[in-house]
Amino acid sequence: KQEVTQIPAALSVPEGENLVLNCSFTDSAIYNLQWFRQDPGKGLTSLLLIQSSQREQTSGRLNASLDKSSGRSTLYIAASQPGDSATYLCAVWLGGAQKLVFGQGTRLTINP
Amino acid sequence: GAVVSQHPSRVICKSGTSVKIECRSLDFQATTMFWYRQFPKQSLMLMATSNEGSKATYEQGVEKDKFLINHASLTLSTLTVTSAHPEDSSFYICSAPYINYGYTFGSGTRLTVV
Repeated sequence: KQEVTQIPAALSVPEGENLVLNCSFTDSAIYNLQWFRQDPGKGLTSLLLIQSSQREQTSGRLNASLDKSSGRSTLYIAASQPGDSATYLCAVWLGGAQKLVFGQGTRLTINP
Repeated sequence: GAVVSQHPSRVICKSGTSVKIECRSLDFQATTMFWYRQFPKQSLMLMATSNEGSKATYEQGVEKDKFLINHASLTLSTLTVTSAHPEDSSFYICSAPYINYGYTFGSGTRLTVV
């Protein structure tokens, strides 16, 4: 059974810092991996999708990497801003049924 | 990009009544829609998978007679919470896969049963 773990569960940093969020999964036979952002009381916003043949994706200040062999993905946020405060979720795609398996999320707070 | 529109965003209903939540794919055809439930400060729990033109598949422990799912067309899936009770109060979110884009999520529905 695929399990996804995110560390840390919560993170609070001052504005301007670069930071890394971690995601690990137990079964390397994943289809894709996707990072999301969730603001309180809202739905999920897709940040980056890494397809199984890719090793990283970049969008603006965000960079996500994927190492299937070690079962790890990281989300790097450069020059953090208070508007980045949210819960960040990683999810792995299981092939066939197309199901997503989510981690528990990292609650990020950027202090002005 | 791929957008899923979810309505209503909030609903308050009396215990014993039914509530319908709609999810529409606006600029693509969603042959599959996933329905999730989220408790406060917890991650998403998959409830069921709906496929256009066929019966929904429910996850273990989810009451299919309480949570009725209909996927009437390639752009519309609905979740009806029947005979709602306070313990059904939760945040419900739908999601659809979109090729090369990943999964796109609705904005969620906050259901409160009083």
